[in-house]
Amino acid sequence: DTGVSQNPRHKITKRGQNVTFRCDPISEHNRLYWYRQTLGQGPEFLTYFQNEAQLEKSRLLSDRFSAERPKGSFSTLEIQRTEQGDSAMYLCASSLSSGGEVFGPGTRLTVT
Amino acid sequence: ELKVEQNPLFLSMQEGKNYTIYCNYSTTSDRLYWYRQDPGKSLESLFVLLSNGAVKQEGRLMASLDTKARLSTLHITAAVHDLSATYFCAVDMAYNNNDMRFGAGTRLTVKP
Repeated sequence: DTGVSQNPRHKITKRGQNVTFRCDPISEHNRLYWYRQTLGQGPEFLTYFQNEAQLEKSRLLSDRFSAERPKGSFSTLEIQRTEQGDSAMYLCASSLSSGGEVFGPGTRLTVT
Repeated sequence: ELKVEQNPLFLSMQEGKNYTIYCNYSTTSDRLYWYRQDPGKSLESLFVLLSNGAVKQEGRLMASLDTKARLSTLHITAAVHDLSATYFCAVDMAYNNNDMRFGAGTRLTVKP
């Protein structure tokens, strides 16, 4: 499968725990994006990488959120001290510099 | 701040009928995307519109872009049940900070 993959697909955690999600983009894509989507809403931009450099971060990304893309390949999104409001679908997408974004299947986070 | 507004947000239509979904945005951009999302699934790219006057068609769906009016339309011709899904438009903020802003989505239900 040459698409964007995300792991895990579902995560249930207790409030206050830390969670980490992984995204493997399409191999030749140099751009990688993270979005958050809550029920009934469109995706909200969180952050964006060009190769290994994190170029943009949304105001939505509080200090509890951190993202990395070591070596410009896969990326991780970590949420520390999770809150119930963090429950959402976390979507990763990748693209070439000139192209549209291809989305992964998402990681659904439930914070209890 | 960029705003992306879709209307209608909910659309129920009979099979065989035609309808148009509208996407208005509030700042300069020449890239607009349409995505489809089925319940519980990720986003599937439908159209990438890269210039003023761009028109693309795939099956019963046709998308157009008017960058002067800051308006894109997604026209549905002779709807069938399989088109039932949520449709999002997204505007590329490449001129500003390289993130995409999504509309709230149009939830389409096609009834037999």
